[in-house]
Amino acid sequence: EVQLVESGGGLIQPGGSLRLSCAASGFNVSNNYMSWVRQAPGKGLEWVSVIYSDGTTYYADSVKGRFTISRDNSKNTLYLQMNSLRAEDTAVYYCARDWSSSGWFDSWGQGTLVTVSS
Amino acid sequence: EIVMTQSPATLSVSPGERATLSCRASQSVSVNLAWYQQKPGQGPRLLIYGASTRATGIPARFSGSGSGTEFTLTISSLQSEDLAIYYCQQYNNWPGTFGQGTKVEIK
Repeated sequence: EVQLVESGGGLIQPGGSLRLSCAASGFNVSNNYMSWVRQAPGKGLEWVSVIYSDGTTYYADSVKGRFTISRDNSKNTLYLQMNSLRAEDTAVYYCARDWSSSGWFDSWGQGTLVTVSS
Repeated sequence: EIVMTQSPATLSVSPGERATLSCRASQSVSVNLAWYQQKPGQGPRLLIYGASTRATGIPARFSGSGSGTEFTLTISSLQSEDLAIYYCQQYNNWPGTFGQGTKVEIK
């Protein structure tokens, strides 16, 4: 069974850093396109970043230069390093698998909440 | 960036009745359109991809149609467990973008 479990969220001050983790089971993250998608409180979904199976990475303009996506194949875990956090980064962050490499997401985690506030 | 617009924002439907949700793209996305269901406190769940292909395990009462800029998700006979917010997503152009969602309420 495919499962994604996010962790690492919490309350952080503006300008601070946080690293999110997404532990995968039932498949290998290294063989799939893996993304982070966020949802601000009461709002819709916003794609944040993707790492392809060949290691290529892309970012939304809103986080480019501040966030870094990576993975540890030995731990089968996806990460999102978030630096220079802003109030507008407050959201539930989901990791999601794009099994078909087409752009739609077949599996999602339950999310982890990041709150950026002083 | 392609803008996805969903309507209505909220839909109230009686159990057993048909629910019709709409999604419009600001430019053609061919059939590169997915639908997701999100229940309170949960991550999204894939329902439909390729505009009309049901994902694994999705009940037959969910169906998708459309191409180009106009898409529809139909729930043929609403069940109580279908209470959720439904999102469309285009993946024809990078980056993939989502609609703002339609909340389905049980009347």
